[in-house]
Amino acid sequence: KNEVEQSPQNLTAQEGEFITINCSYSVGISALHWLQQHPGGGIVSLFMLSSGKKKHGRLIATINIQEKHSSLHITASHPRDSAVYICAVSPNDMRFGAGTRLTVKP
Amino acid sequence: SAVISQKPSRDICQRGTSLTIQCQVDSQVTMMFWYRQQPGQSLTLIATANQGSEATYESGFVIDKFPISRPNLTFSTLTVSNMSPEDSSIYLCSVGLAEKLFFGSGTQLSVL
Repeated sequence: KNEVEQSPQNLTAQEGEFITINCSYSVGISALHWLQQHPGGGIVSLFMLSSGKKKHGRLIATINIQEKHSSLHITASHPRDSAVYICAVSPNDMRFGAGTRLTVKP
Repeated sequence: SAVISQKPSRDICQRGTSLTIQCQVDSQVTMMFWYRQQPGQSLTLIATANQGSEATYESGFVIDKFPISRPNLTFSTLTVSNMSPEDSSIYLCSVGLAEKLFFGSGTQLSVL
């Protein structure tokens, strides 16, 4: 079993829909990161969480340390949100989820 | 914020040769990380490079195959040695700064 599990693996949505991507982990962590990787490979850091909730624009990330679970939400999704979203946790080193491929159709 | 310049962006190499990938950061950072991303998969940490000490390699990666240099706080290189087609992958460097991770643009390596 992977230490970091993401669901779903693939997600297709219509423009404007509310999106949720989930991440569960089995190791003790000091922080959890949400990353966005666009076609062509560039990776952008969206959030770092150690507790609670963070919001940036249409993106919201939450973490429940007791349940070892985090969610990334996208409100009013747009085709430019189409990307692979990766959850990563850091105990001492970084462990990555397999990613969720999001496609938002106009 | 940090900007990472990674070179080359892509290369096609012959089996048995070596390729050195460079990452230059516009800020001084203690640790730099090197990752591999095989086609259709997520990132795998190869090693952590600290300035002034030997790199720390993850299980499955060895110094003879992936030697790393870290001569100062803004620069690092990763060499992929004695390449085989199985080394075809994207290689990325990364740093952590102010609670964020920053990544180089990646090196797409194809080994024939």
